[in-house]
Amino acid sequence: DTGVSQDPRHKITKRGQNVTFRCDPISEHNRLYWYRQTLGQGPEFLTYFQNEAQLEKSRLLSDRFSAERPKGSFSTLEIQRTEQGDSAMYLCASSSDGATKNIQYFGAGTRLSVL
Amino acid sequence: QKEVEQNSGPLSVPEGAIASLNCTYSDRVSQSFFWYRQYSGKSPELIMSIYSNGDKEDGRFTAQLNKASQYVSLLIRDSQPSDSATYLCAVNAGGTSYGKLTFGQGTILTVHP
Repeated sequence: DTGVSQDPRHKITKRGQNVTFRCDPISEHNRLYWYRQTLGQGPEFLTYFQNEAQLEKSRLLSDRFSAERPKGSFSTLEIQRTEQGDSAMYLCASSSDGATKNIQYFGAGTRLSVL
Repeated sequence: QKEVEQNSGPLSVPEGAIASLNCTYSDRVSQSFFWYRQYSGKSPELIMSIYSNGDKEDGRFTAQLNKASQYVSLLIRDSQPSDSATYLCAVNAGGTSYGKLTFGQGTILTVHP
């Protein structure tokens, strides 16, 4: 068990470009979450998957954002036509349904800088 | 009104002292409460979870929950310089919230030698 893995760790892109981030959850976890964190703020919820089903999306997730979790394993978060306001740390977390009552474990995050 | 509120600090305590971190939340149906520690440039790391009113102790950390007052706190005894970090309070409403966490903005703690 290597924990939640995110790739890449850092991404620098120009405004208007598309970017895609990947998250590999802890292997036995069926729940997967994406959060976004800006400097000086706590993480903000973006979206949630249970297995392969995307069950909730925040209104923060504009139509430029899309997330997938094919086969209920890894997940990808894509941002199209990036804007400078998208610059943030994108955090992935996973949890299980079991007795741990939704304790979420976070990956190291992907830091996005939009120039 | 923010859903989860914390004093942003910074809170400065001397080494060996007790650090007290506070958090209030607005949703009365909240069921699960968590404290995460976040070092600068790193991701949140779970320290404590608490689900029932009262105290829960784990080593130097004690979480306290009062659902009637909608209040959660974290006490750190014998504070060490390595405890210097941002402490995030997180709340899960349960039910149809699917376990998503709502975070406060975090309290910056500095433990000075």
